[in-house]
Order: sequence, then C-alpha cells, then structure tokens
Amino acid sequence: IAGITQAPTSQILAAGRRMTLRCTQDMRHNAMYWYRQDLGLGLRLIHYSNTAGTTGKGEVPDGYSVSRANTDDFPLTLASAVPSQTSVYFCASSDAAGEADTQYFGPGTRLTVL
Amino acid sequence: AQKITQTQPGMFVQEKEAVTLDCTYDTSDQSYGLFWYKQPSSGEMIFLIYQGSYDEQNATEGRYSLNFQKARKSANLVISASQLGDSAMYFCAMNLSNTGKLIFGQGTTLQVKP
Repeated sequence: IAGITQAPTSQILAAGRRMTLRCTQDMRHNAMYWYRQDLGLGLRLIHYSNTAGTTGKGEVPDGYSVSRANTDDFPLTLASAVPSQTSVYFCASSDAAGEADTQYFGPGTRLTVL
Repeated sequence: AQKITQTQPGMFVQEKEAVTLDCTYDTSDQSYGLFWYKQPSSGEMIFLIYQGSYDEQNATEGRYSLNFQKARKSANLVISASQLGDSAMYFCAMNLSNTGKLIFGQGTTLQVKP
C-alpha cells in the first residue's frame, strides 16, 4: 500500500508560470487536504475536500485552486506563481472529515518560485 | 479564535530519559480532537497519537502518551525512554467538530543527546 503519493518531489518555477502539484491516495479516503509549511509558521490549510465532487477554502486559499473529480486524486494548481508561494506543500487524507479522523500525509513537494 | 500554542521552540533531552513537549489550545467548541505529529529531518509528517475532547483517559501509544488537562486546555506529549531516533520536529494540532481542518502549532524541535 503506497498511501499518499505526491509529484513532483521538488520543483523550481519561474514567477508567472502555471503549476499543478499532484496528489493521489490509495486508501479510499473520502477527505483530502492541501497544506503549506513555511518556516516558523507550522502547517496551514490551503484547500480541502470532504468528498469527491466538493471542495472548500482553508486558511490561505488565495492564488491556489483545487479540483476533486474522483476519490483518489486531489491536484493543487497555482495559476500564476509568485515568490511568496515558495514553500513545502503537503497533501493529506482522512477517512472522513470529523474531529476524530486522523489525517495521513504525503511526502511533500518542495516548490521554489523565482 | 481557535489556536494551538507550542511555547518551546527547541528542547534537549538525554537518551533514555523522558521528555514533555508542551501544547495549549484555544477553542470554544466542546467537541474536538487533538493530535501530535512527528517530522524528522527527512520531512515526512508522521502521526503519533490522538486524544478526543470527551476521552476521560489519557491516550497512550507505545512510548508516547498525551497528558490531557481539559480545564487548562493543555495536551502535552510525553515521550518516555527517549531514543536518538526521536530527534525531530513535533507538531501539536487540533481538529474542530466536523470541519476536518487541522490547526497546527508552530512546532518544537527535539534533540536527543547520546
């Protein structure tokens, strides 16, 4: 069982370019999430999806979009990257979106926007 | 406002000794979940332990235990018999009732000395 995979592992991107970070889980979890991790700020939620076909905004959604066409995949798109989006991006999933549902994380994508 | 506070940026512990990592939380919700994650230098986020707000007993998972004091709104992680492999960043997180959105603290870096 792979759990959650993310691609690419790392990327250097020119400002203004469009970029999609991929996330796939094989646990048949209903809920999926995208977080960004910045030094000194911990992890912050960008977008989430409680079930396939639905998405919602987290704490820091500006500049990002997501889609959830099926249960397994939850891509994150930066339409026009800016340097402040330089960060480590983690995808996570949980069986459901309740307060007792443990979120399991992918290995992360390190993104640098120049 | 919902918030997680970890006041110890860095901690040292001698190998084989116990260590307590502090976490306080702020919420007016009655139903919530508290989680601890470990992030080693390799970068992945590893789930350690969960405590529900209605749980009367402190959670334990092997060498990890959670010292839950609801009235004080604290959820400290206790690691017994520290090992060199415990050296990592540790994050406390809170999940509010049926939101599925984890709120993270800023993390505590633990270094275990041989």
